[in-house]
Amino acid sequence: DTAVSQTPKYLVTQMGNDKSIKCEQNLGHDTMYWYKQDSKKFLKIMFSYNNKELIINETVPNRFSPKSPDKAHLNLHINSLELGDSAVYFCASSQDPGNIQYFGAGTRLSVL
Amino acid sequence: SQQGEEDPQALSIQEGENATMNCSYKTSINNLQWYRQNSGRGLVHLILIRSNEREKHSGRLRVTLDTSKKSSSLLITASRAADTASYFCATDNAGNNRKLIWGLGTSLAVNP
Repeated sequence: DTAVSQTPKYLVTQMGNDKSIKCEQNLGHDTMYWYKQDSKKFLKIMFSYNNKELIINETVPNRFSPKSPDKAHLNLHINSLELGDSAVYFCASSQDPGNIQYFGAGTRLSVL
Repeated sequence: SQQGEEDPQALSIQEGENATMNCSYKTSINNLQWYRQNSGRGLVHLILIRSNEREKHSGRLRVTLDTSKKSSSLLITASRAADTASYFCATDNAGNNRKLIWGLGTSLAVNP
């Protein structure tokens, strides 16, 4: 059983489209995250939810909207995709903020 | 803002040699964590060291923490080709929503 699973693994789409990435964790953790990793492997926190409450909302275009229907799920919706959104997006979870994080395998997004 | 800085950015060694990576940070921390990322995969937690600890071991890994110098090092002894990966440090800062602040990573290549 994969602890943190995100889908899809690959996403190729045209500029201007809207897409969603889903994430689920079966670890019983309270905190979940979305990260963006660019081609230089720079890892940037985007959002974090703790007990379904948004606690970290970094400087991210408002085209990106996270949604946490319950503690085990954190989805990321992206509107009007741009070329610069191409990256690998990682979901992660931890028992609580600041603790060890468990990562999903990543979603490689390519915007053409 | 990104505060962890690893050095070197890239390291190439022969199998059997030791590899040392360093991480520096800027503010007070609760803990410092090291992660490994294999090519095309998610990050995997290696070791967490708390601010009141000076050294921790896990198998062939040894992590030290010097809070007076705001630095940490990760030593991998008797390296193997399978250790080839990128290594990241992350700090849990006191305050700041407990978000982890990530370094830029050290890319380690272990040649057979």
